[in-house]
Amino acid sequence: QVQLQESGPGLVKPSQTLSLTCTVSGDSVSSRSYYWSWIRQPAGEALEWIGRIYISGLTEYNSSLKTRVTISIDTSKNQFSLRLNSVTAADTAVYYCARDFGLNGMDVWGQGTTVTVSS
Amino acid sequence: QSVLTQPPSASGTPGQRVTISCSGSSSNIGSNNLYWYQNLPGTAPKLLIYGNYQRPSGVPDRFSGSKSGTSASLAISGLQSEDEADYYCAAWDDTLSGFVFGTGTKVTVL
Repeated sequence: QVQLQESGPGLVKPSQTLSLTCTVSGDSVSSRSYYWSWIRQPAGEALEWIGRIYISGLTEYNSSLKTRVTISIDTSKNQFSLRLNSVTAADTAVYYCARDFGLNGMDVWGQGTTVTVSS
Repeated sequence: QSVLTQPPSASGTPGQRVTISCSGSSSNIGSNNLYWYQNLPGTAPKLLIYGNYQRPSGVPDRFSGSKSGTSASLAISGLQSEDEADYYCAAWDDTLSGFVFGTGTKVTVL
């Protein structure tokens, strides 16, 4: 059974960098069948796609976040990570990682982790 | 940045059929696959429909998807209390070169 688990600080100060890791079990981030994605959801708002990475290193980002986002992959730990620079209160949200099976959709999601940006 | 528009709410009584619309453009729904996700309160989103109308294993056939031009819809037939959730459509957008979600629809079972 494939499982994804987000981890990282729940509180980040304004202007600092938000860093989250998604640990994958039951599958391999090295698989050529999937992208690995990050999505977020501010309280009471819609889902927002942040970006995704493929094992080749190819990354694709939300154009509105592109200047602040980096997604990377660590095959030795079977993890992929999100870094979001220069955060503000608007970045406060539940952050999800997900397995993106291409045309078959984002079919496995982590439980989500809440990140609050506040001093 | 939601470029896919959904009605904010929909409702029905148990057993009824509810339909949710999703309106986009030629750069997203008009040229790419459409997905639907169910977001139950306090849980992670769940893939309901992929490839416009296909259901992943385990999704009841009460859920059905369709697409025509730059619009799509999700139908829930035989509405049940456990269907009370937020529903999001989603698609790749060629202009934005990224994935976009809809504005979301809250389904209430009366």
